[in-house]
Amino acid sequence: GDSVTQMEGPVTLSEEAFLTINCTYTATGYPSLFWYVQYPGEGLQLLLKATKADDKGSNKGFEATYRKETTSFHLEKGSVQVSDSAVYFCALIEGYSSASKIIFGSGTRLSIRP
Amino acid sequence: NAGVMQNPRHLVRRRGQEARLRCSPMKGHSHVYWYRQLPEEGLKFMVYLQKENIIDESGMPKERFSAEFPKEGPSILRIQQVVRGDSAAYFCASSPPGLTYNEQFFGPGTRLTVL
Repeated sequence: GDSVTQMEGPVTLSEEAFLTINCTYTATGYPSLFWYVQYPGEGLQLLLKATKADDKGSNKGFEATYRKETTSFHLEKGSVQVSDSAVYFCALIEGYSSASKIIFGSGTRLSIRP
Repeated sequence: NAGVMQNPRHLVRRRGQEARLRCSPMKGHSHVYWYRQLPEEGLKFMVYLQKENIIDESGMPKERFSAEFPKEGPSILRIQQVVRGDSAAYFCASSPPGLTYNEQFFGPGTRLTVL
């Protein structure tokens, strides 16, 4: 079945460092890809998405490009801030209907030191 | 517009008791999804409901678990005779009506601990 594999954490960086969180997927069709973020004590929030190959999703300085040839959707940010400390989930859906289930990776905890 | 509400936020039950988790979707949302996150794992889909209908329950354990979304009131995820393995965070998400995919908005989760 479909699955998402992402970089294990925790990841600890200093403020203003470059961030990469790796994510690869397995899917039978042409999934849509997402990154969600979960701040402490809160629910998951959609960070960015890409719905077809070579699309780039971006938001709040974060970017990820849908790479069909490598089945990857790595999350990057050029200069992280303390406020970026959170758990990040890579995810996909197959199809694009209201019945589409989100398939999540296991999450990567990111901590940013001042 | 209030977000998705879940209560309680934390629930402690002894083995054999029942757990009831509630989810109030965002205003105007008629689709509700439940996901479970076991320790150190990602979220896993459990069930998708619309008002008074279960659309997809392929992720629900066959026994002890049930879900409903009545015409009035919140969606309820019910776990009967809880066991230690049910300890997890349970997240609810809601989306607007429609046939195509709409963003699912997540609640803060209910953390269930079974003693």
